[in-house]
Amino acid sequence: EAGVAQSPRYKIIEKRQSVAFWCNPISGHATLYWYQQILGQGPKLLIQFQNNGVVDDSQLPKDRFSAERLKGVDSTLKIQPAKLEDSAVYLCASSLTSGRETQYFGPGTRLLVL
Amino acid sequence: SQKIEQNSEALNIQEGKTATLTCNYTNYSPAYLQWYRQDPGRGPVFLLLIRENEKEKRKERLKVTFDTTLKQSLFHITASQPADSATYLCALDGNTGGFKTIFGAGTRLFVKA
Repeated sequence: EAGVAQSPRYKIIEKRQSVAFWCNPISGHATLYWYQQILGQGPKLLIQFQNNGVVDDSQLPKDRFSAERLKGVDSTLKIQPAKLEDSAVYLCASSLTSGRETQYFGPGTRLLVL
Repeated sequence: SQKIEQNSEALNIQEGKTATLTCNYTNYSPAYLQWYRQDPGRGPVFLLLIRENEKEKRKERLKVTFDTTLKQSLFHITASQPADSATYLCALDGNTGGFKTIFGAGTRLFVKA
């Protein structure tokens, strides 16, 4: 069984530029999560999708971050414009149903904002 | 506010010994608690889940305890090996604050041969 795929693996941009990350969850998984992990900290949930609907986006900085889940499968996370403090690893995870269970994580995208 | 605390200092132990990692939480009523392993440059990998009505869970060399009175979970790795060296994250899913998973910052474990 293929795992969660993410791309790109690394990205370097300058502040005020925009960037987009892509995630392909495990086939058949209804729930998809985007986390931000700053160096030395645990992952922080940005947004959670159930199929193509948003379950929780309370910690998503909506003035600059946006996310969508196309047809309830793939997802993209966008930052526009980026700030220095957005430098982090962006992790995508998926789970079979509605959460409260094991999450399977992708390798993450490491973003550096200069 | 909800808070999860894990040992911020790295834990160094000798191969063959038991590693014990601690996860404490406040202002939270978790329905269950999970432990994940994270290697450098990789995403977290699920290890064990324990529910609020369970006291202990085991899987091979791993053991987790969950004390909802003390608001604490202990994670044990017996007969530790250098390959166990990694960061271990505690994660809670609760009955408060919605259903989102909240992660601790993790504890770095080094097992010396």
